Amino acid sequence: KNQVEQSPQSLIILEGKNCTLQCNYTVSPFSNLRWYKQDTGRGPVSLTIMTFSENTKSNGRYTATLDADTKQSSLHITASQLSDSASYICVVSLLTSGTYKYIFGTGTRLKVLA
Amino acid sequence: DSGVTQTPKHLITATGQRVTLRCSPRSGDLSVYWYQQSLDQGLQFLIQYYNGEERAKGNILERFSAQQFPDLHSELNLSSLELGDSALYFCASSLLGSGYTDTQYFGPGTRLTVL
Repeated sequence: KNQVEQSPQSLIILEGKNCTLQCNYTVSPFSNLRWYKQDTGRGPVSLTIMTFSENTKSNGRYTATLDADTKQSSLHITASQLSDSASYICVVSLLTSGTYKYIFGTGTRLKVLA
Repeated sequence: DSGVTQTPKHLITATGQRVTLRCSPRSGDLSVYWYQQSLDQGLQFLIQYYNGEERAKGNILERFSAQQFPDLHSELNLSSLELGDSALYFCASSLLGSGYTDTQYFGPGTRLTVL
């Protein structure tokens, strides 16, 4: 079964600290992996997109890594800010019957405290 | 602001009714995607249209249907509504429709409440 699991479910850190969010997937055939940031009640915003051949991709203070062999990805946030408080969602795309479909993780809810 | 607009912002209706959600993609984007986000199931991909044609179908119920018009705006029709259909419905758009590394831009969503 195609699944995407994220950990931890929630995380509280102090402003200025770093943190790492995890995403494990059992999606096949894998096409690409995306990380989104979603503020409460708003639409997700794309952070990174990685194909199977990419190991790491950065977007400002956000760095995503991908290990296609172990089917794991992580999102590292450096020098966290209060505005980083949001849910972070991992999405894996699979190519099936010539079209792409998207399997979402349940997200990690991050709270950054002053 | 992603450039994707959705109307209405909120919708309250009764079980058994039918509603239509509307989405206007970013200028120049050819693909539109619909997603459902409920508290118990998280985000789910429903359907994708590319330049007026259905491109991919996800977990969309038979009671739901969508279309993309020549001006590229899209509508999601939900019929015979049930309490469990209460959710946030997001529309996203992207330039192309390959899905490979196409960045999707999400709208603000329509919150549907079925009473």
